[in-house]
Amino acid sequence: AQSVTQLDSQVPVFEEAPVELRCNYSSSVSVYLFWYVQYPNQGLQLLLKYLSGSTLVKGINGFEAEFNKSQTSFHLRKPSVHISDTAEYFCAVTGMDSSYKLIFGSGTRLLVRP
Amino acid sequence: KAGVTQTPRYLIKTRGQQVTLSCSPISGHRSVSWYQQTPGQGLQFLFEYFSETQRNKGNFPGRFSGRQFSNSRSEMNVSTLELGDSALYLCASSGGGRTMNTEAFFGQGTRLTVV
Repeated sequence: AQSVTQLDSQVPVFEEAPVELRCNYSSSVSVYLFWYVQYPNQGLQLLLKYLSGSTLVKGINGFEAEFNKSQTSFHLRKPSVHISDTAEYFCAVTGMDSSYKLIFGSGTRLLVRP
Repeated sequence: KAGVTQTPRYLIKTRGQQVTLSCSPISGHRSVSWYQQTPGQGLQFLFEYFSETQRNKGNFPGRFSGRQFSNSRSEMNVSTLELGDSALYLCASSGGGRTMNTEAFFGQGTRLTVV
């Protein structure tokens, strides 16, 4: 079984500042990791994913994340945020055991202020 | 390429009624998953279908059921609605290979309100 912890429910940040959204997971099997973004009244859009290989993963809209197996973390970063990045961000995990079950964290609301 | 289509977008039902939600996956995708999103419980996995067979099921009561048709379109049904079933129901489609090593594309969801 897997679980995901997003420690910060809300992260306020000024426009053009860097941001890091934290995600920790636990699993008894190897995992795939994902970050999704959700804008108001919308579904989920994939920002990036880690399947294997390089631990630094680059995604859309200038986001990147680093997989750290020893710390079981997959933190999301952006060097300079925009007002349009204001949204809810979800970290998700699924086991490499042929299960198509995404386990989501509770979400982090990124609030970008001018 | 058309995205994942969920219908209807909004629905209001009365306690005790039943409801059916529909999801049309991306063309060529064979796996369809359903999730419930509520402020209190967050995003929770309901079930996943592949080639008309339920492959995975979450921890929801038997009032929640689903099916998948030969064209990969899926429906989920909730019977005897309760106030707590009010939620955004999201459908996701993906290729459906042996492991989930491909992106899951989500629809915009169906907002169900039970009164």
